[in-house]
Amino acid sequence: AQSVAQPEDQVNVAEGNPLTVKCTYSVSGNPYLFWYVQYPNRGLQFLLKYITGDNLVKGSYGFEAEFNKSQTSFHLKKPSALVSDSALYFCAVRDGSAGNMLTFGGGTRLMVKP
Amino acid sequence: DGGITQSPKYLFRKEGQNVTLSCEQNLNHDAMYWYRQDPGQGLRLIYYSQIVNDFQKGDIAEGYSVSREKKESFPLTVTSAQKNPTAFYLCASSPRTGGAGWGDTQYFGPGTRLTVL
Repeated sequence: AQSVAQPEDQVNVAEGNPLTVKCTYSVSGNPYLFWYVQYPNRGLQFLLKYITGDNLVKGSYGFEAEFNKSQTSFHLKKPSALVSDSALYFCAVRDGSAGNMLTFGGGTRLMVKP
Repeated sequence: DGGITQSPKYLFRKEGQNVTLSCEQNLNHDAMYWYRQDPGQGLRLIYYSQIVNDFQKGDIAEGYSVSREKKESFPLTVTSAQKNPTAFYLCASSPRTGGAGWGDTQYFGPGTRLTVL
């Protein structure tokens, strides 16, 4: 079975400060990891993914994520937060060794205050 | 949201009615998916289709039905058997479902919010 956890329901950060949104996962085989962002009443927008290669993945809008195999984590980061980054963020995982579907975390709401 | 359209944006259903949610994609993707989103629960997979005229149940298929008669279309019917249908419904597509070794990204439509009156 595969699973993903986002331990924080909400993250608050001041504009200009670095932000981190946490994600941990569990899969039997090789993890394929994804981050999506959702604005109110909208669909999910793809930010970035890790399949293989460098542990640091760079994505859209200045976001990046670091794959840590030993800690089974894939935290989303941004060096300097913007108010417009305020949204709901989802981490998702798929077992790359099997034909499974994506499993999503429960989401983390990011609030960036001016 | 580009390339995947969902309609209507808002839908209201009376008790005992069946309703159909539309999903169309012009990305030439083989695979399509339906998810349900409830507050605090993330996304849960209802049905998915890897190819025309074929589809599989996801984690919460009871009370829902789908068809895949055309590559670009994957409509979802919420039947009267679905006891708690009020939710935000999201359609997605990807080039393929991804067997071993593939990491295809799913791209999402803008969603349909269904409310039972």
